[in-house]
Parts: sequence; structure tokens; C-alpha cells
Amino acid sequence: GAGVSQSPSNKVTEKGKDVELRCDPISGHTALYWYRQSLGQGLEFLIYFQGNSAPDKSGLPSDRFSAERTGGSVSTLTIQRTQQEDSAVYLCASSPPAASEQFFGPGTRLTVL
Amino acid sequence: KNEVEQSPQNLTAQEGEFITINCSYSVGISALHWLQQHPGGGIVSLFMLSSGKKKHGRLIATINIQEKHSSLHITASHPRDSAVYICAVRSPWGGSEKLVFGKGTKLTVNP
Repeated sequence: GAGVSQSPSNKVTEKGKDVELRCDPISGHTALYWYRQSLGQGLEFLIYFQGNSAPDKSGLPSDRFSAERTGGSVSTLTIQRTQQEDSAVYLCASSPPAASEQFFGPGTRLTVL
Repeated sequence: KNEVEQSPQNLTAQEGEFITINCSYSVGISALHWLQQHPGGGIVSLFMLSSGKKKHGRLIATINIQEKHSSLHITASHPRDSAVYICAVRSPWGGSEKLVFGKGTKLTVNP
């Protein structure tokens, strides 16, 4: 079956512009996660959605970052007024109900010039 | 100090060697994950464990909850095992499924 998909695969933007990154989780997966991996750094948790519960936003680095998940499926991560330090690979993962194994998407490589 | 520490940071081995990667953590956890990140960037979940040992093919993962330590072993290593191996822990508090990651161990297996 189809895995987690993300779009775009690459995004180059200018400092100060807004960007939207999309994640399509595996059908039926109730949990969705966003992570960030900066060059030479480890993975960093950003936000977690579980069903209809309030999302865990504790990893968002600033108020320029926001995410929503519509209809319990597709999620969009929005970064406003991008800065060069936002350059990273943004990874999405999903997991099925009552299970904690996470299935990762291929990531979106964001470059802020 | 990072909550999750991995060692070594880099590891080079010859094909056929037995590999061990270590992970130590400082917080209480409900589960520990081992992930594999290929050179192209894709991440695959290898194991999720909360006690004991799990085996899948040539890969074995163990965890000692009392000592807050886990190991990932690769038997009969092969060049295709070359990847970054990442340890991550899940906190049991507050109902969050948030993962905290180690910085990864880069494994290179030479033919």
C-alpha cells in the first residue's frame, strides 16, 4: 500500500517568505508527527496530532511555525517569514491506532536563501 | 547533556563483522525506538521495545530498563547495512507520544 507522502520534495525560498509543507499520512493512521532535521543535527520533534485531541505543539521553535490537520488526514506545516535557520529537512510520520511504530515520509528539504 | 546519548558517533567495519551500537538515556521512558536512515535520507523504523530483546533477521535490539540502556546489534554485517542508526525514546508522561532522539551513529561497512 501507499506509504506516507510529502510534498514538495524540495523547496527553495527567500528569507521572509511563507512556506507550506504537506503531509499525506497512511490511510487509517490516527497519529501524525512532524520532525525537523537540520544539517548535521539530530531529529527534532515539532508537533504531534492524535485523532481529534488537541495537538502537542511543544516542539514548535517559534510562533512563526504552525500546523493543522484537516479531517484527521492531511496535514500542513506552515512557516511564516522564513529565516535561514529554518533550512532543514522536514519529516512527517504517521502511526496506526494503538500502536507506536511510526512510518516516515521521504521528507521535504527546505532551503531558505 | 542530551537526554539520549549514542555511541559511537561513527563506526567503520569490514563486511561480516558483528556490530554493536549503544544508546543510553536519562529519563523514564515508555518505549525505545531504533531507526535506520539511509544515505538518501529515508527513515525506516527497525524496532520498538519496552523490555527484553527483539530480533529481526540479522538485527537484534536489547533494552535494560533499570540501567536505562539499549543496544542494537548487527550480525554478519554487509555493505548495505551502511546507514545512520538513530535511537529515540518516548516519554510516558502527559499522554504525549513525543520522541526524543539521539544524534545517530553513522555506520560504514566496507566490502
